[in-house]
Amino acid sequence: QKEVEQNSGPLSVPEGAIASLNCTYSDRGSQSFFWYRQYSGKSPELIMFIYSNGDKEDGRFTAQLNKASQYVSLLIRDSQPSDSATYLCAVNSPVDSSYKLIFGSGTRLLVRP
Amino acid sequence: GAVVSQHPSRVICKSGTSVKIECRSLDFQATTMFWYRQFPKQSLMLMATSNEGSKATYEQGVEKDKFLINHASLTLSTLTVTSAHPEDSSFYICSARKVAVLNYNEQFFGPGTRLTVL
Repeated sequence: QKEVEQNSGPLSVPEGAIASLNCTYSDRGSQSFFWYRQYSGKSPELIMFIYSNGDKEDGRFTAQLNKASQYVSLLIRDSQPSDSATYLCAVNSPVDSSYKLIFGSGTRLLVRP
Repeated sequence: GAVVSQHPSRVICKSGTSVKIECRSLDFQATTMFWYRQFPKQSLMLMATSNEGSKATYEQGVEKDKFLINHASLTLSTLTVTSAHPEDSSFYICSARKVAVLNYNEQFFGPGTRLTVL
């Protein structure tokens, strides 16, 4: 079982719709969770981070964390074609104090005009 | 802000040569930096953790004598690919850990270096 799992997609949504991206993790000791966006040929860009159970909103983005179920999700409201990218979920490694992040393989999002 | 730069952005070299890639945190100090490699259509693969003033910690399967890492200051880490071969051609990305007030450790990525070994 992979430590951080994401559906590879592509997830295709029409412009203006809500895109829902999901991520599950295996280690209950994980404490911090991050969503990165990566455009093709570019490096990842931090979108949001969340540490507490519940929702965290930032503009069109909402991160949701459920530690009991070990999943974290990212909602993108009013999706735009410019949101088309690969979204990477990352979880801190609780094993040691190295501050490593464990990345999922990413979900490709396609927003249709 | 949290800006990380990398230099060069693109490099083409002959097989057998060595290539040095620099990673700098421009507006914050980074005691820890990370080096990743990404092959086309694949996810990020962590190569090593670079700690200022100490030896790097390499992930399993990464040859420390081939990928030399030096973290000489709180704002600069370098990765040297020694005796590069075509199979080393990849997108190399560094990230720097920013310690926030509440010690939540976000990582910010540099723009990446695309290495092509002929």
